[in-house]
Amino acid sequence: GQQLNQSPQSMFIQEGEDVSMNCTSSSIFNTWLWYKQDPGEGPVLLIALYKAGELTSNGRLTAQFGITRKDSFLNISASIPSDVGIYFCAANSNSGYALNFGKGTSLLVTP
Amino acid sequence: NAGVTQTPKFRILKIGQSMTLQCTQDMNHNYMYWYRQDPGMGLKLIYYSVGAGITDKGEVPNGYNVSRSTTEDFPLRLELAAPSQTSVYFCASSPPGGGQPQHFGDGTRLSIL
Repeated sequence: GQQLNQSPQSMFIQEGEDVSMNCTSSSIFNTWLWYKQDPGEGPVLLIALYKAGELTSNGRLTAQFGITRKDSFLNISASIPSDVGIYFCAANSNSGYALNFGKGTSLLVTP
Repeated sequence: NAGVTQTPKFRILKIGQSMTLQCTQDMNHNYMYWYRQDPGMGLKLIYYSVGAGITDKGEVPNGYNVSRSTTEDFPLRLELAAPSQTSVYFCASSPPGGGQPQHFGDGTRLSIL
C-alpha cells in the first residue's frame, strides 16, 4: 500500500486545549478520511473529505483535504477527556478499493 | 442497527491450529474487507470482496483464506496458525465504489501461542 505519514505519534494535553494532527504522502489521493479508535473497539469514522481544498467540520472537529491532494489535517478544539483515543487518517486513490492508513496519533487528555 | 458484527471477540490458539473469524454486516454493503492491526501500526488489508462470490488479495494475504457466499457474511480462515498471526483483526464494509467510507466491527483479538 501507499504510505501515509501521520504526525505526531502521540500527544498529551490538558482539557480545553486545541489539538492538531496531520497526514502527508508522496502520492495523490481522491479521498481522505479521519477515524477515531477507542480502546477495545473498531475505528469509527469522524470526517470524510472528497475534494481538494475541502474544509469540513463535525462538532469540535475540523478537517481539511490539502490542495495538493497529498495531505490532510484534523483539528480538535477545546479538547475534553472523552477525546482520548487513537486517531487514524486514511486515504484512497479510487484506483483501488483499499484504504491506506496512517499509523495513528494517540491522544491523551488530562482533566 | 448492528452494523458490522465480529465473533469471537477474543481467542487463544496453539501453533498449527486452525480457526475461522466470523464477520457479518446488516447494511447491505457490497464491499467487505479484512484488516489486521499490529501494535503501533495502522491497519493492513488482508483480503477484500466486492460482492458475493468475488474475493481478492490485499497487502498481507499469506496464511489466510476467505470466502463470500452471501452479501452479509465474509469469514476469514487461518489454516495453520503461526505466532506472526497474533494480532487484532478487523472486518469492515462499505457501499460500492473506491473511496467510500468503511464501517468497522469491534475486532477479534487473536493470540497464537
